[in-house]
Amino acid sequence: ETGVTQSPTHLIKTRGQQVTLRCSSQSGHNTVSWYQQALGQGPQFIFQYYREEENGRGNFPPRFSGLQFPNYSSELNVNALELDDSALYLCASSLSQGGYGYTFGSGTRLTVV
Amino acid sequence: GENVEQHPSTLSVQEGDSAVIKCTYSDSASNYFPWYKQELGKGPQLIIDIRSNVGEKKDQRIAVTLNKTAKHFSLHITETQPEDSAVYFCAWGGNTGTASKLTFGTGTRLQVTL
Repeated sequence: ETGVTQSPTHLIKTRGQQVTLRCSSQSGHNTVSWYQQALGQGPQFIFQYYREEENGRGNFPPRFSGLQFPNYSSELNVNALELDDSALYLCASSLSQGGYGYTFGSGTRLTVV
Repeated sequence: GENVEQHPSTLSVQEGDSAVIKCTYSDSASNYFPWYKQELGKGPQLIIDIRSNVGEKKDQRIAVTLNKTAKHFSLHITETQPEDSAVYFCAWGGNTGTASKLTFGTGTRLQVTL
């Protein structure tokens, strides 16, 4: 059984650029959620995808968008990067939409300069 | 609001002692309370969780207690070991419509010293 894998592990971008982060869900998991974790803070919910549809969204602007593919993998896209977007971006997969039994990946560390 | 207050922010114990971390949540609709351990450079790892119809759950050296009336839940680690050193996050979840999210606490850095 493979876990959740995220790529890339680290990324440096310039303010104003766009970035795409990728996530492969754990085998058999059909729901993917994305979280942003600022340094020294707990993860903050960005959005969730189920059956290729956005299925819930946290307090993040529209420049944060995502996709889920038929194999349940997912992408997080961030446009017009700001310095405050620097954070660890975590992907979590689960068997259901209820938040139960999340398996997190190791995250992508994004630095915006 | 959707806040989770977590205390203490840092905790240092000697190996073999117990550690207790407490969280207070605000939304009475919450029905799921997991605890996560996050080591440096890794994502959070689920260590134990409890549903709202249960007051206490234990798994070897780890236990979680839930007081729904007071909106408190706590993590108890007994016989601590150096490998327990990490940041611990409480969280709560509750189905809101078709999707559910977890709201996380601010974290507790646990240091187990020899």
